[in-house]
Amino acid sequence: QLVLTQSPSASASLGASVKLTCTLSSGHSSYAIAWHKQQPEKGPRYLMMLNSDGSHSKGDGIPDRFSGSSSGAERYLTISSLQSDDEADYYCQTWGTGILVFGGGTKLTVL
Amino acid sequence: EVQLVESGGRLVQPGGSLRLSCAASGFTFSNYAMHWVRQAPGKGLEYVSAISGSGVSTYYANSVKGRFTISRDNSKNTLYLQMGSLRAEDTAVYYCARDQSGPYDYWGQGTLVTVSS
Repeated sequence: QLVLTQSPSASASLGASVKLTCTLSSGHSSYAIAWHKQQPEKGPRYLMMLNSDGSHSKGDGIPDRFSGSSSGAERYLTISSLQSDDEADYYCQTWGTGILVFGGGTKLTVL
Repeated sequence: EVQLVESGGRLVQPGGSLRLSCAASGFTFSNYAMHWVRQAPGKGLEYVSAISGSGVSTYYANSVKGRFTISRDNSKNTLYLQMGSLRAEDTAVYYCARDQSGPYDYWGQGTLVTVSS
């Protein structure tokens, strides 16, 4: 069964970096994912698509502070030089034939 | 500029019906599959339904199969979700999203559906 697992919460200081993790279920380590950001009371915003080899393509207007990487079944989103505006929920998404799955989301707090 | 604007959400009684719309602009609408995704209050994102660019193929989450119908009018650049036999657990913000052959690359701002007596 295709499942994405995310930690419920993360925190980091203003100006620091943070690495969020999305883990694919067993047998699905080759799947690409997408990362989305959702600020309070807003619709989600597409950040990037991230492949199993770590290559990624970002959405329109996404700054260089956002990057992605992969290792096995883990998919990472790294945000550097954290700003207050980065405080949001971050969701990963993946897809297969006839199926589409979201992770439970990680709430990022910028201290 | 790509824009997706949902409308049609409101308070509806259990067992009732509702039609949501998503007006698209800034891209060739018929070239893209489109999806509906919902988010219950305080919860995460949940896939609801999808439709191919031509409208020929449709897909549904098990939770809405047989109750919801997705459709599109490519001449009007509009996506629809006809919702029936509504339940309290269908209460959510409903988003439309553009499918970039896998990832959603654009989302709307959402429309709130509340099912309550």
